[in-house]
Amino acid sequence: AQTVTQSQPEMSVQEAETVTLSCTYDTSESDYYLFWYKQPPSRQMILVIRQEAYKQQNATENRFSVNFQKAAKSFSLKISDSQLGDAAMYFCAYTRTSYGKLTFGQGTILTVHP
Amino acid sequence: GAGVSQSPSNKVTEKGKDVELRCDPISGHTALYWYRQSLGQGLEFLIYFQGNSAPDKSGLPSDRFSAERTGGSVSTLTIQRTQQEDSAVYLCASSPGTRLAGNTIYFGEGSWLTVV
Repeated sequence: AQTVTQSQPEMSVQEAETVTLSCTYDTSESDYYLFWYKQPPSRQMILVIRQEAYKQQNATENRFSVNFQKAAKSFSLKISDSQLGDAAMYFCAYTRTSYGKLTFGQGTILTVHP
Repeated sequence: GAGVSQSPSNKVTEKGKDVELRCDPISGHTALYWYRQSLGQGLEFLIYFQGNSAPDKSGLPSDRFSAERTGGSVSTLTIQRTQQEDSAVYLCASSPGTRLAGNTIYFGEGSWLTVV
């Protein structure tokens, strides 16, 4: 069974600084998708960034970027120029299916200090 | 609507009662998903709908759980004879297409179920 591990239950960062959230996963597949989702107190899961395993280039979305290390099965999220609105629970997710059957990690609570 | 809509937002029910949770996906979205988020188990996949059929319902935890989707739109998740371990947030999500390539999955705000 595929597993996703987020080893940091909580992280904190100063506003405008950079923070990196860690994620590792276990799979024997070569083709799969990886995601980072953000869940604010409203409970709505919001897609931050996604990565297709066949793409060697790391995905970026504005202030958010990933470090995808396929051989190491690592998928970390870097948030640059942190903003107060970035405070939320962040989930790493994996799927090998062609649809949205996602396996989530346990989450990392990110606190942003002004 | 503009987003995935779920109702009720919060529900408190007595152990042994049946509950129905409703999901209105984004208009035109073909794929619909139910997930469960609990303190003990984290986020778990429950079921996937492609149109009105459910090709993957492998995550439903027991036969007390069932779901249907009608008209390729609204979906209802039913939990019969609720137990305390059913207490969780039930999240619905939808996607324009059934394939992940080129499609984003949009989540609702969930229905928070408490079984007392």
